Amino acid sequence: DVKVTQSSRYLVKRTGEKVFLECVQDMDHENMFWYRQDPGLGLRLIYFSYDVKMKEKGDIPEGYSVSREKKERFSLILESASTNQTSMYLCATKYGTTYEQYFGPGTRLTVT
Amino acid sequence: GDSVTQMEGPVTLSEEAFLTINCTYTATGYPSLFWYVQYPGEGLQLLLKATKADDKGSNKGFEATYRKETTSFHLEKGSVQVSDSAVYFCVVVTNAGKSTFGDGTTLTVKP
Repeated sequence: DVKVTQSSRYLVKRTGEKVFLECVQDMDHENMFWYRQDPGLGLRLIYFSYDVKMKEKGDIPEGYSVSREKKERFSLILESASTNQTSMYLCATKYGTTYEQYFGPGTRLTVT
Repeated sequence: GDSVTQMEGPVTLSEEAFLTINCTYTATGYPSLFWYVQYPGEGLQLLLKATKADDKGSNKGFEATYRKETTSFHLEKGSVQVSDSAVYFCVVVTNAGKSTFGDGTTLTVKP
C-alpha cells in the first residue's frame, strides 16, 4: 500500500512566522501535490511537482512556496504566515500518467 | 474551465436508507471521473472510478455510472450504514491529468 505521511496533524503558529509542512511518500511516485481544504470550497491546488527540483504553480500559489530536493519528500513553505492561511493542508502523490491520487492524513494549521 | 457541481450538504439519513449524491461536471475532451471519500480525521481515499462513457464504478456497495449525455456521475448506495458517515468528493480528471474537485458533500448516517 502507498503510504503518504505528513509531519504534523495539528499545528498552531503566529502571524508572521515561517512555517514548514512536510510530506513524505514511500512508493517512488514522481508526482506530488499540495492542496488546501476549506469548508464550502473543496480542495484547491497550491503547488505540484512532477520530478525532483521541479515545481509548478497550482490555482492558489500566492503566499506559498515549495521545495522538492528528494523524490520522496515535498515541502510546503509559508514564508510569513497569515490568518487567512488557517486551513487543512493535504499532500497527495500520483504515479506517472495514472489518475488516482493518494492522500496523506492532512495537517490542520491554525495561524493566530 | 473545468468545473464540478456536487449536491449541497449536509445530508442526514437513517441507517439502511437509500443514498444519492448528485454530481455534474463540465470538462473538455473525455475526462475520467472519480469519487473520493474522507472519513473523520483522515485524508481522502479513492472510493470508485470510471474512465469512459457508460462505465459503472463500484466499491463497498457504492455505485456511480459515467453519463456523458448528461455530464453526470451520481453516487448511489442502496442501504447506508453508520460507518458510511464521511465527506464525499466528486472529481474530474482531464486527459491532461488536471484534477478538479467538487466542494464535497457531508453525509451523516444515524442509527
